[in-house]
Amino acid sequence: SQQGEEDPQALSIQEGENATMNCSYKTSINNLQWYRQNSGRGLVHLILIRSNEREKHSGRLRVTLDTSKKSSSLLITASRAADTASYFCATVEDSGGSNYKLTFGKGTLLTVNP
Amino acid sequence: DAGVTQSPTHLIKTRGQQVTLRCSPKSGHDTVSWYQQALGQGPQFIFQYYEEEERQRGNFPDRFSGHQFPNYSSELNVNALLLGDSALYLCASSFSHFYQWNEQFFGPGTRLTVL
Repeated sequence: SQQGEEDPQALSIQEGENATMNCSYKTSINNLQWYRQNSGRGLVHLILIRSNEREKHSGRLRVTLDTSKKSSSLLITASRAADTASYFCATVEDSGGSNYKLTFGKGTLLTVNP
Repeated sequence: DAGVTQSPTHLIKTRGQQVTLRCSPKSGHDTVSWYQQALGQGPQFIFQYYEEEERQRGNFPDRFSGHQFPNYSSELNVNALLLGDSALYLCASSFSHFYQWNEQFFGPGTRLTVL
């Protein structure tokens, strides 16, 4: 079953604009991760944020985590056409050290128009 | 340094057949996880192998089985294929020494079509 729900399902913006994607989840987590997928191929890891962190930056990416609302957001600043892809959030449930799986949402399809 | 590799890239089978997919982990990684991604959906966890044993399993029937070899490579076997098994099958590898969440690196996937 899917844990996370990304919002929106699809997003179309112009190059240079910022893109914001949101993710909601259901259970207590150890960490939350964001992945990018181009054209239905392999997933590329973007960023990991742990449950005790509230914000993290990596280059043009900014991720926030609100565990009280069970939600996260991914902001891509100054978007480029090459950022066109599907973006997934994935959670690792907090189960005392015996859980190793990623639980993914359905993804947001981002289109950046030149 | 080669990343995670998977073979074959594409595969077409008919209902009732059996299929074997293969994965070689990134150099230095000892853990392999398999995910199924149906069209328009996010990946779903099938199982994870560590030290040649299945360490955790998702909500998949016994038709899905796997194996990990001493060199850490892995196979995913699916028996009695159903139309609904058509999907992209992703392999991910990671390094499991010391308990901490370690990043999983994904391969390009195998696209399985069941007719």
